[in-house]
Amino acid sequence: RKEVEQDPGPFNVPEGATVAFNCTYSNSASQSFFWYRQDCRKEPKLLMSVYSSGNEDGRFTAQLNRASQYISLLIRDSKLSDSATYLCVVSLNAGNNRKLIWGLGTSLAVNP
Amino acid sequence: DAGVTQSPTHLIKTRGQQVTLRCSPKSGHDTVSWYQQALGQGPQFIFQYYEEEERQRGNFPDRFSGHQFPNYSSELNVNALLLGDSALYLCASSLAGGYSNQPQHFGDGTRLSIL
Repeated sequence: RKEVEQDPGPFNVPEGATVAFNCTYSNSASQSFFWYRQDCRKEPKLLMSVYSSGNEDGRFTAQLNRASQYISLLIRDSKLSDSATYLCVVSLNAGNNRKLIWGLGTSLAVNP
Repeated sequence: DAGVTQSPTHLIKTRGQQVTLRCSPKSGHDTVSWYQQALGQGPQFIFQYYEEEERQRGNFPDRFSGHQFPNYSSELNVNALLLGDSALYLCASSLAGGYSNQPQHFGDGTRLSIL
């Protein structure tokens, strides 16, 4: 089983739709969680951190379920500009270091 | 507030050559990580530098080496280039890579093509 797994998609949705992505992780000692967004041929950019209580930033809501070991990202009222690949990142301490594990990403295409 | 800067932005090399990529971290950051991202894949961790030492290493051969300077900038060196080394190389910086759970900030990347 991969350490971090995401549905690669692509997800094709119309403008205004609500879309949700899940990301599962295998190590229960994982401590921090992030969603990054990556546009085609660009670098990943932090979209939002994911907190235990769940957090919202405008149209974006992130949730963490430690019992089932997954995080989710919900995008409401999707815009054309939301088209990108969404990468799930899980952080855990490995000795004196922090190890980041990246998912392969979920591709989203928002259509007019 | 300068973000992460990488140079060059694009590079074309031939098999067997050597390449050096450079990265300056975001102002105030002291930890630099390097990633390789092939087309359609997520970033693959190469290694991380903190206090001028390699702190962690991913599953990459010894052909991949690096260095961090006292000003926290970093270089990635790849020797004996192979066609499969063609990828986007991303540098990410963060603060106190050992214990911090702060997110990483990425540079624009260097797109390396091997002919």
